Amino acid sequence: NAGVTQTPKFRVLKTGQSMTLLCAQDMNHEYMYWYRQDPGMGLRLIHYSVGEGTTAKGEVPDGYNVSRLKKQNFLLGLESAAPSQTSVYFCASKIRPGTDNTGELFFGEGSRLTVL
Amino acid sequence: AQSVTQPDIHITVSEGASLELRCNYSYGATPYLFWYVQSPGQGLQLLLKYFSGDTLVQGIKGFEAEFKRSQSSFNLRKPSVHWSDAAEYFCAVVSYSSASKIIFGSGTRLSIRP
Repeated sequence: NAGVTQTPKFRVLKTGQSMTLLCAQDMNHEYMYWYRQDPGMGLRLIHYSVGEGTTAKGEVPDGYNVSRLKKQNFLLGLESAAPSQTSVYFCASKIRPGTDNTGELFFGEGSRLTVL
Repeated sequence: AQSVTQPDIHITVSEGASLELRCNYSYGATPYLFWYVQSPGQGLQLLLKYFSGDTLVQGIKGFEAEFKRSQSSFNLRKPSVHWSDAAEYFCAVVSYSSASKIIFGSGTRLSIRP
């Protein structure tokens, strides 16, 4: 049982290059999230999705795009990378909230991105 | 807007000593509250959660937290820390009315003195 898998785990980009981070979960979760983690700032929500084909902006969405074409996958794209996007990116997922679930987030192990 | 504040950036305690990590939230509605732990180079793992009922909740690894509505706090405690507890700890809040959005505090790094 893999849980939440992120690829790639490490990447170095030059300013202006584009890339896509892939998050895959095998728990049939409806909700998926992308966070970035920076020293002293905790985790900040970039974008999230409450179901296949739907996405929404979080706290820091500028410079990123996302897509949720399949329920199990949530892609985070950087169209033109900037040094300010150097960070560790975490994907997370959870089941649809209800009265009988905990709302627990399950996290991937992170993707470290450096933009030179 | 909802927010979570963890006022302590870094705490060092001696092994065997007690621990309390502070968390304050700002939210008008009834929140769902969580504590997560992150070991170096790893993702986050859930320690415990509060939804309703008993305001003192027990979690894994001997941790507990107490929800105090009057103080808007959800502090994490452990009576006796172990060297393996050295990690970063995050408090998080979920809106009951908008359960999709989960906001994290900035984290508290815990170091253990031998």
